[in-house]
Amino acid sequence: AQKITQTQPGMFVQEKEAVTLDCTYDTSDPSYGLFWYKQPSSGEMIFLIYQGSYDQQNATEGRYSLNFQKARKSANLVISASQLGDSAMYFCAMRDGRETSYDKVIFGPGTSLSVIP
Amino acid sequence: NAGVTQTPKFRVLKTGQSMTLLCAQDMNHEYMYWYRQDPGMGLRLIHYSVGEGTTAKGEVPDGYNVSRLKKQNFLLGLESAAPSQTSVYFCATKDRGLEQYFGPGTRLTVT
Repeated sequence: AQKITQTQPGMFVQEKEAVTLDCTYDTSDPSYGLFWYKQPSSGEMIFLIYQGSYDQQNATEGRYSLNFQKARKSANLVISASQLGDSAMYFCAMRDGRETSYDKVIFGPGTSLSVIP
Repeated sequence: NAGVTQTPKFRVLKTGQSMTLLCAQDMNHEYMYWYRQDPGMGLRLIHYSVGEGTTAKGEVPDGYNVSRLKKQNFLLGLESAAPSQTSVYFCATKDRGLEQYFGPGTRLTVT
């Protein structure tokens, strides 16, 4: 069965510093995808970044990058130059199966990030 | 273009009461999903739909029913609410792409 683990319930980072949020996953499907979502205190879910299991390069989106280590089954999110607005819950999620499937997405328990001024 | 909307935003029910949550989307997306979010557990999939007239069970379907009579609407029903169903409910939609688009959430309390 697919599973997502986020071992850091809470993290602190100094403003302007970089921070890494850990995510490990478990799946037997060779084709899968990994997402990161941000949930600020207002409650909405914001898509940040996606990495496909066959992608050769690590995904990047602005200040967000995904450190994908397939053999270790980890997909850590790196946020560079942290800003106060980055304070939020961060969820790692995994899509299993082929892209043409119904795209069942499984979420991890989340990591709460607090940026300190 | 409203995107994904959820009605109501808040609701308090007594044990045994019934209610329906409405998810509406104007993006013409095929796939729609209902999740619940509980502290420390992330989002868990309740039911989903891959198109009008189709529904399927997710990870935690017990105590919930769904219907997708129109492509733009996905209804989540609680026939007899229980305190264990106190949660925040999120609807999400997607098309052939990878990204899910989430609604603002519905906070439900069952006393």
